[in-house]
Amino acid sequence: NAGVMQNPRHLVRRRGQEARLRCSPMKGHSHVYWYRQLPEEGLKFMVYLQKENIIDESGMPKERFSAEFPKEGPSILRIQQVVRGDSAAYFCASSLPGGHEQYFGPGTRLTVT
Amino acid sequence: AQSVTQLDSQVPVFEEAPVELRCNYSSSVSVYLFWYVQYPNQGLQLLLKYLSGSTLVKGINGFEAEFNKSQTSFHLRKPSVHISDTAEYFCAVSPGAGSYQLTFGKGTKLSVIP
Repeated sequence: NAGVMQNPRHLVRRRGQEARLRCSPMKGHSHVYWYRQLPEEGLKFMVYLQKENIIDESGMPKERFSAEFPKEGPSILRIQQVVRGDSAAYFCASSLPGGHEQYFGPGTRLTVT
Repeated sequence: AQSVTQLDSQVPVFEEAPVELRCNYSSSVSVYLFWYVQYPNQGLQLLLKYLSGSTLVKGINGFEAEFNKSQTSFHLRKPSVHISDTAEYFCAVSPGAGSYQLTFGKGTKLSVIP
């Protein structure tokens, strides 16, 4: 039973480039969450999606960040025109419909140079 | 808005000694509470959760936590730690029905000393 999968595990981008982070939820899970972990900080909620719907994006920066979870394929977190402050670990979690337990992937560590 | 406070950023403890990692939360409504463990360069693994029912919750790897509503606390305990317990531990809260957004504390780094 595969867990939550994220790729790439490590991503290096130069300032101004785009970063695309992918998340495949656990089998049977239709709810996906994205969190960001800055150094010496806990995880901060970014966005909550169901298939083809953004349910709660209250934690997303207003500019440059977007997320989607299409009917087919993984969820994508997209960061346009990256800046050094975007360097962080980005974690995806998934849950069953109505489930309160979130299962986390291994994360994508984004480094902006 | 909810918040979670983990009072200790680092906790060193000798192997086979007991440990308690403290967590307090602020919320005016019923909440669900979680403890996660993160090993270096890995994702978070759910240790245990409190949704309802018994206030003493048992989790994996011999950990347990007690929900105290009057003190708004959810402290994590283990009677005898192992070297393999060295990791960072995060307490998290969600407001429950209608929202599944987790609010995390800043984490406690547990170092088990041989």
